[in-house]
Amino acid sequence: GENVGLHLPTLSVQEGDNSIINCAYSNSASDYFIWYKQESGKGPQFIIDIRSNMDKRQGQRVTVLLNKTVKHLSLQIAATQPGDSAVYFCAENRPNFNKFYFGSGTKLNVKP
Amino acid sequence: GAVVSQHPSRVICKSGTSVKIECRSLDFQATTMFWYRQFPKQSLMLMATSNEGSKATYEQGVEKDKFLINHASLTLSTLTVTSAHPEDSSFYICSASYSQGPAFFGQGTRLTVV
Repeated sequence: GENVGLHLPTLSVQEGDNSIINCAYSNSASDYFIWYKQESGKGPQFIIDIRSNMDKRQGQRVTVLLNKTVKHLSLQIAATQPGDSAVYFCAENRPNFNKFYFGSGTKLNVKP
Repeated sequence: GAVVSQHPSRVICKSGTSVKIECRSLDFQATTMFWYRQFPKQSLMLMATSNEGSKATYEQGVEKDKFLINHASLTLSTLTVTSAHPEDSSFYICSASYSQGPAFFGQGTRLTVV
């Protein structure tokens, strides 16, 4: 499969601060994107999704931004909490393929 | 979100034996199910995609005779690791989606081959 998000950074933030996690995708044909949260030893948990006809979507404490021009996706978490500590993955889906390919992930470490 | 249940969560088997992992969508009918493999501290690698009633589509480099996938109904898919060897030890995760919606994941299965 293709790589989405070739970097695996670790982001450390202080509790209460906002977090921004980034993802670069490689296929310009991708039209549907999802952010997942994965805690150790568990399966990924759906956070928020966005389709390519939008550039921003908000959920509870989370916002996803999509920049198709530079093939970039970001996840913003407001007022980060210790329970937000996990690895975050973006996944892309291409039309007519209906497959989800995952990026390399970002580990979020929230310091109390 | 929708609930996907995967069983077993952990399995230890002897080298040369086969192991079956089940993936069920509990509260929705999954038109597509996906199987992933994940090594420690790495991302999820898509192994195959299956649609109910049809043969699975395997990703390049994934041995279809090694990893048998059956998607017998809209709520059940199984992955059988045949003639398992220690290098097959990994975390296997399934996910299910409906009509090009988001994919929801099971809890994962930790396979250890001894």
